[in-house]
Amino acid sequence: DAKTTQPNSMESNEEEPVHLPCNHSTISGTDYIHWYRQLPSQGPEYVIHGLTSNVNNRMASLAIAEDRKSSTLILHRATLRDAAVYYCILTRPGKSTFGDGTTLTVKP
Amino acid sequence: GAGVSQSPSNKVTEKGKDVELRCDPISGHTALYWYRQSLGQGLEFLIYFQGNSAPDKSGLPSDRFSAERTGGSVSTLTIQRTQQEDSAVYLCASSLEAGAGANVLTFGAGSRLTVL
Repeated sequence: DAKTTQPNSMESNEEEPVHLPCNHSTISGTDYIHWYRQLPSQGPEYVIHGLTSNVNNRMASLAIAEDRKSSTLILHRATLRDAAVYYCILTRPGKSTFGDGTTLTVKP
Repeated sequence: GAGVSQSPSNKVTEKGKDVELRCDPISGHTALYWYRQSLGQGLEFLIYFQGNSAPDKSGLPSDRFSAERTGGSVSTLTIQRTQQEDSAVYLCASSLEAGAGANVLTFGAGSRLTVL
């Protein structure tokens, strides 16, 4: 399975932007980059995904490096409700493998 | 239903007993996944089903674990002769299909299993 590497934890101040990095140097041409987040005591929820181009939705933006070996999830204005574990995964037909993710702490 | 439903939400059992965990996926979703999450850890893949194809069982940790999916919808994860190390949250997810890399997973809230 293609592997992703994320920092174990990050901190942000409320109402400031947050950039969550993810390295995926072994990505193949057909792998999609997906981000999920898991709030305390809940199942993971989908945030955003992309293949080659940068993507925006109501929750976040996804910036994908030109060589696709890394990506960054951008939360434009962090709120206390954004405190969660964020998972960056590569998906291909079949199973999706999750790593340990990044625990985001948002300080008021 | 509107989302992925899992039951029971909490299960406490004694070591050596068998347990069954149920997952109702979103209607129309052909792919179904089971993951296990131990306390403070990431998600560990267990098994996935895609339509009528043979399931990918490569993540099942031992032969005490098995899963079925009846009629392409509801799935049951069975753990026989439970051990304390089986204590975890068991998460089910479904997606439209597993055959496309862009497929988005929708997770249930999980079933928390505690083995005494």
